[in-house]
Amino acid sequence: AQSVSQHNHHVILSEAASLELGCNYSYGGTVNLFWYVQYPGQHLQLLLKYFSGDPLVKGIKGFEAEFIKSKFSFNLRKPSVQWSDTAEYFCAVKGNNRLAFGKGNQVVVIP
Amino acid sequence: NAGVTQTPKFQVLKTGQSMTLQCAQDMNHNSMYWYRQDPGMGLRLIYYSASEGTTDKGEVPNGYNVSRLNKREFSLRLESAAPSQTSVYFCASSWQGLDGYTFGSGTRLTVV
Repeated sequence: AQSVSQHNHHVILSEAASLELGCNYSYGGTVNLFWYVQYPGQHLQLLLKYFSGDPLVKGIKGFEAEFIKSKFSFNLRKPSVQWSDTAEYFCAVKGNNRLAFGKGNQVVVIP
Repeated sequence: NAGVTQTPKFQVLKTGQSMTLQCAQDMNHNSMYWYRQDPGMGLRLIYYSASEGTTDKGEVPNGYNVSRLNKREFSLRLESAAPSQTSVYFCASSWQGLDGYTFGSGTRLTVV
């Protein structure tokens, strides 16, 4: 079965700082990778996804992620965060017709 | 608007009571899922239905049952609620599981 590890569960940073969230996965088959965001009190929304092709994926709201196959990683980045990026971020890997999620990163952006 | 609809949004149960969480999607998706979300644990899959007429266990199925009533609806039942089932429950759907999931707005369940 697939699994996902996310590091630095709690992240606090100031507006305009850069953000990078780590994600490592394990799965023996072809990987489909996702990042979801959950704003306070809301449901999960898709930020970006990787199926194949260019390993650098651009998503909504200025987020991007890079798939590095040799490192089994799919790290999320944003060059300059805003207060509105305060949320919980989940990495997920799809396998066997279902998504497995990491435990999430709680990100707080201070104005 | 198209999407995944969950009811109820909030529920408080006493230990031993039963209830059914309802989920419906109007996107003609084949696959549907039930997750629970607990602080520091991420989302854990309870049950899923790859297509109408099929259901399978996920990571944490104990204490739950599901019914894929038709292509649109996938319900989750707690036969005898326990405090350990206090959680936020999310339903999701996808097109044959090949794409990202669309999530419902969640049901916050408290068992006392």
